[in-house]
Amino acid sequence: NAGVTQTPKFQVLKTGQSMTLQCAQDMNHEYMSWYRQDPGMGLRLIHYSVGAGITDQGEVPNGYNVSRSTTEDFPLRLLSAAPSQTSVYFCASSYWGDTQYFGPGTRLTVL
Amino acid sequence: AQTVTQSQPEMSVQEAETVTLSCTYDTSESNYYLFWYKQPPSRQMILVIRQEAYKQQNATENRFSVNFQKAAKSFSLKISDSQLGDTAMYFCAFVRITQGGSEKLVFGKGTKLTVNP
Repeated sequence: NAGVTQTPKFQVLKTGQSMTLQCAQDMNHEYMSWYRQDPGMGLRLIHYSVGAGITDQGEVPNGYNVSRSTTEDFPLRLLSAAPSQTSVYFCASSYWGDTQYFGPGTRLTVL
Repeated sequence: AQTVTQSQPEMSVQEAETVTLSCTYDTSESNYYLFWYKQPPSRQMILVIRQEAYKQQNATENRFSVNFQKAAKSFSLKISDSQLGDTAMYFCAFVRITQGGSEKLVFGKGTKLTVNP
């Protein structure tokens, strides 16, 4: 199993550009989520999904969009990038009520 | 809302010694899990240990053990025989377990642990 994979590993955007961060898992996990990690802030939940076709907002959802068309994939879209979205982004997945496993992260810089 | 507090932003320990990282949490839930995750300089989030709230016995994983005090809402991590590879950020995390609702992992802000040779 590849576990949780994320692409790209690094990305630089200009303010106003849009992009999609990819996340995939091959463990047939129902639950998937996106977090951002900022210095001194720990990890904060952006959006999550409890199954295909079901998504919900987390603590810091503004400026991000998600969809879950398959069990395996959970992309995160930045609609119009802002410098405040400079961060490290982590995707995670788990079985219901079980330990969450994390991808390697994407470091995003918005100029 | 659940909160997780790690009161030690940074700690250091000598190689082969024992260190304890503190974590407290606030919740009205009765069914939940607690975790310690390790994040080395590679940035990968690695599960260290997990504790189910309904279990009275403290979880252990090799050199890592927890002191789970449910009434006090305390969940500390003890690392024995510290190794240089234990140098990392350590995050305490909480998730409530529901039968039909959401499942949100709430993190503390982390403790940066440095193991000195």
